[in-house]
Amino acid sequence: DAGVTQSPTHLIKTRGQHVTLRCSPISGHKSVSWYQQVLGQGPQFIFQYYEKEERGRGNFPDRFSARQFPNYSSELNVNALLLGDSALYLCASSYDPPGEQYFGPGTRLTVT
Amino acid sequence: QKEVEQNSGPLSVPEGAIASLNCTYSDRGSQSFFWYRQYSGKSPELIMSIYSNGDKEDGRFTAQLNKASQYVSLLIRDSQPSDSATYLCAVAPPSGSARQLTFGSGTQLTVLP
Repeated sequence: DAGVTQSPTHLIKTRGQHVTLRCSPISGHKSVSWYQQVLGQGPQFIFQYYEKEERGRGNFPDRFSARQFPNYSSELNVNALLLGDSALYLCASSYDPPGEQYFGPGTRLTVT
Repeated sequence: QKEVEQNSGPLSVPEGAIASLNCTYSDRGSQSFFWYRQYSGKSPELIMSIYSNGDKEDGRFTAQLNKASQYVSLLIRDSQPSDSATYLCAVAPPSGSARQLTFGSGTQLTVLP
């Protein structure tokens, strides 16, 4: 079975730009969570969606937004990028929240 | 602020030894506990989940949970060089809330051949 997929793998953006990251969960999983991980730290929770509804939001500014589509895939949007947004962005899927969450390979975002 | 604490390490053990990784959490109502392994440059991989007090064994891995002490641990028996990675402890709150995972900062394990 295919695992969680994320695109793109790597991304380089300039300060002030906008970025969209995409995630497809494991087949049958209805919940998607987004995390940000910077070097040397554990993943930090950004958003959780279940059955296309937002179930949780972490301590991130309003520049961060997300949504989940009818096929349970999800996208994370970040506006007005800052240098501090450079990180590994991880998507995790589970059958229901929080369940056992399985991570995708991540998107490495570099903001210059 | 709900916290999950881990010793950052690095923790070094010789090949074949038992590696012991520890985690404490602050939210006494936490219900679900997970251990993830993360190789350098890769994403976290779920290796163990535990929900009840006591021990849970899966191959060379044993997770131990003590809710009264707010403590969860991971033992790796017969450690192999391929076990060298960062191990992340994750905790989920009780039902009724968003139930997102809170992660510790991880313990870096090195298994010496």
